[in-house]
Amino acid sequence: AQTVTQSQPEMSVQEAETVTLSCTYDTSESDYYLFWYKQPPSRQMILVIRQEAYKQQNATENRFSVNFQKAAKSFSLKISDSQLGDAAMYFCALSNSNSGYALNFGKGTSLLVTP
Amino acid sequence: DTAVSQTPKYLVTQMGNDKSIKCEQNLGHDTMYWYKQDSKKFLKIMFSYNNKELIINETVPNRFSPKSPDKAHLNLHINSLELGDSAVYFCASSRLAGYQETQYFGPGTRLLVL
Repeated sequence: AQTVTQSQPEMSVQEAETVTLSCTYDTSESDYYLFWYKQPPSRQMILVIRQEAYKQQNATENRFSVNFQKAAKSFSLKISDSQLGDAAMYFCALSNSNSGYALNFGKGTSLLVTP
Repeated sequence: DTAVSQTPKYLVTQMGNDKSIKCEQNLGHDTMYWYKQDSKKFLKIMFSYNNKELIINETVPNRFSPKSPDKAHLNLHINSLELGDSAVYFCASSRLAGYQETQYFGPGTRLLVL
């Protein structure tokens, strides 16, 4: 069975500061993809960043970057220079051939950004 | 030019009724999905279609029946609605059926069963 665990139900960060959201996963597959999705109050699911397991280099998208530790099965998301618009639920997800191409999601982390 | 659209966005109905949620994507993608997000925000796959063929059918009650008239549409029909069906239902699509593919989500349909 594949599992994705987000151990922080809620996190808080001040504007302009940096915050890291944790995600660990378990899979027996050697090739897979990991994703972070953002869900603001509007409910829309928005892709933030994605990482292929075979790529050692950590993915980066502007202020968003990941720390991918394959041996530890860890995939954390770092948000730099946090903005009020970053406030949302963040979901970590895993996809591989075992999942039939579906995304296996974690339970999410609610991020609050304070002025 | 919405990429993945769903109708309706909100649906309030009585127990026992039958309802449908429609999904359309204009991205030219081959694969479409239905996910359910429960009251605790947990998202779980329900179905997936690739080029109008069912490829994933998770353990959902057979009161839920997906229908794909063409590869741009994947509708979800629910018979005999129950209180526990209240949730947000998301449609998504990806270019191909593959775990490397990014899935693009619709805005969700909030279903409330009274």
